[in-house]
Amino acid sequence: QVQLQESGPGLVKPSQTLSLTCTVSGGSISSGSYYWSWIRQPAGKGLEWIGRIYTSGSTNYNPSLKSRVTISVDTSKNQFSLKLSSVTAADTAVYYCARDSIVRDGYRRWGQGTLVTVSS
Amino acid sequence: SYELTQPLSVSVALGQTARITCGGNNIGSKNVHWYQQKPGQAPVLVIYRDSNRPSGIPERFSGSNSGNTATLTISRAQAGDEADYYCQVWDSSTGVVFGGGTKLTVL
Repeated sequence: QVQLQESGPGLVKPSQTLSLTCTVSGGSISSGSYYWSWIRQPAGKGLEWIGRIYTSGSTNYNPSLKSRVTISVDTSKNQFSLKLSSVTAADTAVYYCARDSIVRDGYRRWGQGTLVTVSS
Repeated sequence: SYELTQPLSVSVALGQTARITCGGNNIGSKNVHWYQQKPGQAPVLVIYRDSNRPSGIPERFSGSNSGNTATLTISRAQAGDEADYYCQVWDSSTGVVFGGGTKLTVL
């Protein structure tokens, strides 16, 4: 059974870059059948899609975050990563990594989520 | 950009039927997925492509989608169904879009 696990700093200073990694276990990130996404959720609020990457390296980003987001994949480590630049307090949230299939049948695999707080 | 509208809250009596709506422009032409999220947990997919249940999801959960509204129906509501529910679609211009979420209360 595929599992996803987020990792990275829990505290980031304003104006700096938030960096998170999602490690995939129990299956290969290179299988070619899936999109690998980042989704976030501020405390007490709804889900917000950040973006996704395919194993070929092609990406799609939320238009509202596109200028600050980079998602990359490292197939040798079975990981994909998120970088969000110029963060502010509004970027404080639980960040999830998740998997969606290329036939778009919903996000069936999620990481447990990691809280990132933006504060000086 | 494409937007999905959900009611902030829905209440249902124990054992009765709850319906949670998700509104969007011509949403009937899109595939809608529904997620259940309990406090402190990651979301769980309960309905995919409008009306399909993943394995392990009770038959009490069903979905429909037509026109400008998709609906998640929970029959014979149980206390354990209390959660936040989110609809989600893919839009070619916006990408993945989530509704704002609906808090289901079982009375």
